[in-house]
Amino acid sequence: NAGVTQTPKFQVLKTGQSMTLQCAQDMNHNSMYWYRQDPGMGLRLIYYSASEGTTDKGEVPNGYNVSRLNKREFSLRLESAAPSQTSVYFCASSDYSIGTEAFFGQGTRLTVV
Amino acid sequence: GENVEQHPSTLSVQEGDSAVIKCTYSDSASNYFPWYKQELGKRPQLIIDIRSNVGEKKDQRIAVTLNKTAKHFSLHITETQPEDSAVYFCAASKMGSARQLTFGSGTQLTVLP
Repeated sequence: NAGVTQTPKFQVLKTGQSMTLQCAQDMNHNSMYWYRQDPGMGLRLIYYSASEGTTDKGEVPNGYNVSRLNKREFSLRLESAAPSQTSVYFCASSDYSIGTEAFFGQGTRLTVV
Repeated sequence: GENVEQHPSTLSVQEGDSAVIKCTYSDSASNYFPWYKQELGKRPQLIIDIRSNVGEKKDQRIAVTLNKTAKHFSLHITETQPEDSAVYFCAASKMGSARQLTFGSGTQLTVLP
């Protein structure tokens, strides 16, 4: 049982390049989330998907887009990377309808130069 | 939106002593308060959570208390051990189909042997 799996684990981008972070969960959870973690700022919600077919903005959505491909997969896309997007990105999933907690992936460390 | 403040940002204790981390929240509608532990380079993992219909919850050496009137909640770790050293995050959210967590900024706990 892998839980929440993110790819890649590390990435270096040049300013202006684009990339997609992938996330997949095998726990049959309805909801999925993308957070970014910056030093001294905790985790901030970028986008979330309450259920398959829906996505909504979180606290810091600017510069990002998401796709809920199916119930298992939720991707995060940076169309034109900026140095301010250097961060550690975490995907998470949950099913609060049955009271489960949020389970996190192992994170993607992204550096934009 | 919700705002969660966490104190202290760093905490050092001697092995065997107790540690207390405090959080305040702004949205009186919040009713779910989890605590996550994050070891260096690892993903956040839930250690304990509390819902607004209870004032205290305990799990072995870890306890959480909630004061809804004052809008604050605290994590208590007794008989600390070196393996308790990590960053601890509090969070708050409202019940719903997609529970979006608002995190505090984190507390770096160091347990000195």
